Amino acid sequence: KQEVTQIPAALSVPEGENLVLNCSFTDSAIYNLQWFRQDPGKGLTSLLLIQSSQREQTSGRLNASLDKSSGRSTLYIAASQPGDSATYLCAVISNSGYALNFGKGTSLLVTP
Amino acid sequence: SQTIHQWPATLVQPVGSPLSLECTVEGTSNPNLYWYRQAAGRGLQLLFYSVGIGQISSEVPQNLSASRPQDRQFILSSKKLLLSDSGFYLCAWSSGEGPYNEQFFGPGTRLTVL
Repeated sequence: KQEVTQIPAALSVPEGENLVLNCSFTDSAIYNLQWFRQDPGKGLTSLLLIQSSQREQTSGRLNASLDKSSGRSTLYIAASQPGDSATYLCAVISNSGYALNFGKGTSLLVTP
Repeated sequence: SQTIHQWPATLVQPVGSPLSLECTVEGTSNPNLYWYRQAAGRGLQLLFYSVGIGQISSEVPQNLSASRPQDRQFILSSKKLLLSDSGFYLCAWSSGEGPYNEQFFGPGTRLTVL
């Protein structure tokens, strides 16, 4: 069974810092990986989708990388802002093609 | 553009009462639809998905059921709620052009069973 782990569980940084969130998965036979953002009490916002054939994807200040062979993905946030404060979730699609297997998330706090 | 709606936003129900949560998607046809649950202290878990009207696949056995009476409507139900059914229920959709597509989530329903 696919297990997804996110480290750290929580992170607090001052505004302006660049930061990296980590995601690891046990079964490297994945089809794609998605990064989400969740604000307290809200639904999930899709940030980036990386197909298994890709190494990275970029959107604005966000860059996600994927290393299938080592079972790892990172989400890089440049020049962090207080508005980036949220929980960031990593998920990999199951072999069935439908179920997303989620990590428990990294809770990020960016202080002014 | 596509939008996904869920209602109600919050719900407080007694143990043993029935449940009906609704999800609708606009701006797309023949989407894949999903119900996930986020329980306190646990990660998100897929409960059901549907690739078409009347087609339901269950990922985990439980006290809940799902139905898809229309192309863009997905309903989560229970005949008798348990305390363990409390959680945050999220509906999602993806393109119906096969599996392995990006999933987009709704705003969620917070269910508290007392």
